[in-house]
Amino acid sequence: DAKTTQPPSMDCAEGRAANLPCNHSTISGNEYVYWYRQIHSQGPQYIIHGLKNNETNEMASLIITEDRKSSTLILPHATLRDTAVYYCIVSRRGQGGKLIFGQGTELSVKP
Amino acid sequence: DAGITQSPRHKVTETGTPVTLRCHQTENHRYMYWYRQDPGHGLRLIHYSYGVKDTDKGEVSDGYSVSRSKTEDFLLTLESATSSQTSVYFCAISESPRDGRNEQYFGPGTRLTVT
Repeated sequence: DAKTTQPPSMDCAEGRAANLPCNHSTISGNEYVYWYRQIHSQGPQYIIHGLKNNETNEMASLIITEDRKSSTLILPHATLRDTAVYYCIVSRRGQGGKLIFGQGTELSVKP
Repeated sequence: DAGITQSPRHKVTETGTPVTLRCHQTENHRYMYWYRQDPGHGLRLIHYSYGVKDTDKGEVSDGYSVSRSKTEDFLLTLESATSSQTSVYFCAISESPRDGRNEQYFGPGTRLTVT
C-alpha cells in the first residue's frame, strides 16, 4: 500500500481557503486518493476522492498533481466547524475496501 | 449521517468479562467494518465483513471475534476483555468497494473502558 505523508498540524483563518497537502510518492496506477476528516469525538467523515483528475463536491476540491505523487485538499471558505483532523488515504482495488489511517493533519480554523 | 447506529455508546466493564458491541445499518450496504481508535495510533481496522457470514481479519484482530448473521447487523465480541482493549470503537459501512472506490461511512462510536 502506498504510504502518505501529511503535516501534523495547520492553522487557517476563518473565511480563507484551507489547503491541506498530502504526499503519496509511491502511489500506483490503480490506487485512489481519499480524504476523510474527524471532528473531535465523532466518527470519521468521508470528504472526497480522486484517481487522476481534479475533483470538486459540495464540501471540498481535490487537486492531484499530474504525476500523482501528491495532492491537495482545498476547503474554499473555512469555517470554525471545519476544525478537525484530516486524513489522506490511498486505497486500491481488491483490498476489501480496507483503509489505512495515518496520523492526519490537525486543522485549526481560527476566528 | 448515514443510517448507522452503535450500541451501547458507552460501557464500563471489568477485566475478564465478555463484551459485545453492536453495529446496525439501515443502508443495506454489503461491507461493514470495525475499527478501534487510540491516542497515538489513529484508527486501526479490527475485522470487516463483505457479506452475511463472510468476515476477515484486519490489522489488530487478536482478542476480538465478529459475527454477521444478517445484512444490517455486525457484532464485535471481546471474549475476555482486557485493559488494553479500552478504546473507542467505530463501525463503518461501504456499499461495495469496486474499482478501487471505497467511500466508508462511520457510526458515532462506542467508548469502552475495561477496569
